[in-house]
Amino acid sequence: EVQLVESGGGLVKPGSSLKLSCVASGFTFSSYGMHWIRQAPKKGLEWIALIYYDSSNKYYADSVKGRFTISRDNSKNTLYLEMNSLRSEDTAMYYCAKGRLADYWGQGVMVTVSS
Amino acid sequence: DIVMTQSPSSLAVSAGDKVTMSCKSSQSLLSSEYQGNYLSWFQQKPGQSPKLLISLASTRETGVPDRFIGSGSGTDFTLTISSVQAEDLAVYYCEQYYSYPLTFGSGTKLEIK
Repeated sequence: EVQLVESGGGLVKPGSSLKLSCVASGFTFSSYGMHWIRQAPKKGLEWIALIYYDSSNKYYADSVKGRFTISRDNSKNTLYLEMNSLRSEDTAMYYCAKGRLADYWGQGVMVTVSS
Repeated sequence: DIVMTQSPSSLAVSAGDKVTMSCKSSQSLLSSEYQGNYLSWFQQKPGQSPKLLISLASTRETGVPDRFIGSGSGTDFTLTISSVQAEDLAVYYCEQYYSYPLTFGSGTKLEIK
């Protein structure tokens, strides 16, 4: 059974940093690209980043480019999202999702940016 | 960036009704190389993570009931639920994966009367 478990969220002040993790199981993690997708409270879905299976390519939404970094450790079956210079508009539930089609999603982790 | 426009934003129907919702993209999602439309539909039930229903505009994921039907090509796409059930209460999102950045529509909220 595919499982994706996010962690690392919390309440932080504007300008601070946070690193999210997503631990994968139930599939060959090293064979799939992975996404981070977020959802602000009561809002729609916003794709923010993708990393290829071998980390050879990374893509970002303009809203996070230069502030967020997606990475992965295939030996640990773990996806990361390093978030710097956080803003109030980054407040959202953050999901990791598997594969180009995002066919499996985690339960999400909440990030709140507030003074 | 490709803009995805969904309509209506919400609709209320009775169980057993047929429902159609629209998704339009600002550019064609048809890949001439692979002869497929790079368009997915997701279902997000209250309090849950989104779930992939349909990819390549019309290919249902394993386990998705056949009452969910995706159609369309190019820039115009439709999700039809042939006979709505109470458990279909959700927000439905379309998403293009033709080019980066990937983009979602704003969603159609389905309510059951």
